[in-house]
Amino acid sequence: KAGVTQTPRYLIKTRGQQVTLSCSPISGHRSVSWYQQTPGQGLQFLFEYFSETQRNKGNFPGRFSGRQFSNSRSEMNVSTLELGDSALYLCASSLGQGTGNEQFFGPGTRLTVL
Amino acid sequence: AQSVTQPDIHITVSEGASLELRCNYSYGATPYLFWYVQSPGQGLQLLLKYFSGDTLVQGIKGFEAEFKRSQSSFNLRKPSVHWSDAAEYFCAVGADTDKLIFGTGTRLQVFP
Repeated sequence: KAGVTQTPRYLIKTRGQQVTLSCSPISGHRSVSWYQQTPGQGLQFLFEYFSETQRNKGNFPGRFSGRQFSNSRSEMNVSTLELGDSALYLCASSLGQGTGNEQFFGPGTRLTVL
Repeated sequence: AQSVTQPDIHITVSEGASLELRCNYSYGATPYLFWYVQSPGQGLQLLLKYFSGDTLVQGIKGFEAEFKRSQSSFNLRKPSVHWSDAAEYFCAVGADTDKLIFGTGTRLQVFP
């Protein structure tokens, strides 16, 4: 069974631009969660989607948004990029909603904002 | 407030030595507890998890962890470290439909 895939793996943008990251969960998994990982803040929860609905949201500004499609694939969008948005963005999928279900992580998308 | 503390930022051990990585948490109720490992350029891999029951949990790659409610701790142990264990280790807590909260991580370096 294929694991969680994230595209692109690396991305370079400039301040003010917007970016869309994609996550394809493991087949059969209906929940997708997104995390931001930076050296200063560590791993921080962005949001979780289950059955195309956002079920949980972290403390990030409205510039960070996401969505989930009927096939469970998910995208996250960051608008008006800032230098501080440079990070590794990790996606995780699980069978069901919430932390009671094991989350399987993708390799991440490394975003660099110049 | 819910939080996870990993007091050791960086640990260095010799190959074959035993290992213990510390994790303390603050949570309203007994949470679900997890240990993840991240190798350079990789995502996170689940080592083990505790939901309930036996407080000593066995995981993959020879790791185990013990939940101590009185100390709000969930320390990770391995009796004999291999060079391939060098990585960053994250403790995390969560519950039911709540989000995962991660510690800041402990970087493990293994000397031959």
